[in-house]
Amino acid sequence: DTAVSQTPKYLVTQMGNDKSIKCEQNLGHDTMYWYKQDSKKFLKIMFSYNNKELIINETVPNRFSPKSPDKAHLNLHINSLELGDSAVYFCASSQAWGHEAFFGQGTRLTVV
Amino acid sequence: GENVEQHPSTLSVQEGDSAVIKCTYSDSASNYFPWYKQELGKGPQLIIDIRSNVGEKKDQRIAVTLNKTAKHFSLHITETQPEDSAVYFCAASVNTDKLIFGTGTRLQVFP
Repeated sequence: DTAVSQTPKYLVTQMGNDKSIKCEQNLGHDTMYWYKQDSKKFLKIMFSYNNKELIINETVPNRFSPKSPDKAHLNLHINSLELGDSAVYFCASSQAWGHEAFFGQGTRLTVV
Repeated sequence: GENVEQHPSTLSVQEGDSAVIKCTYSDSASNYFPWYKQELGKGPQLIIDIRSNVGEKKDQRIAVTLNKTAKHFSLHITETQPEDSAVYFCAASVNTDKLIFGTGTRLQVFP
């Protein structure tokens, strides 16, 4: 059973489009995250949610809007996609601070 | 804010040799330091972590050391195997859910 699952795994889209990435965790964790990994493999946190509430928003353009309908889901919606948004986006979850973060397999977004 | 530097960016070793990856952090309040391994096409996976009240931690062939005074911590892998080949990330956190990652080290273990 997959602990943190993201869909889709690959996403190719044109500039200006709006797209969503879905994430679900079946670990019963309270905290979920979105990370962005660029072409140089640099991992940077974008958002953190705890019990459906936004905790961290790391100077991410407001074209990115996370939505947490319940504790087990954290989706990422991106408006007006730009070339620079091309990256691998990882969803993760953890029980709490200082506990292991479990990552999904990633969504490779390519904006053309 | 916290900044984490990681060296080297690439590391090649012969099977059976040891590998050491070093990280330094800037925020002296950081108190949680995990290490993640990322294999090709997969998400990062925790391999070991250490908290600021501990100087060293070992799990089979993997060990992490922490020097709070110097603000650096290191990952040591002994008896390396080809399956250890991956990208390794260090990270630091200050009582929050925000992990600040290092820039990654690509480790290649040659048979």
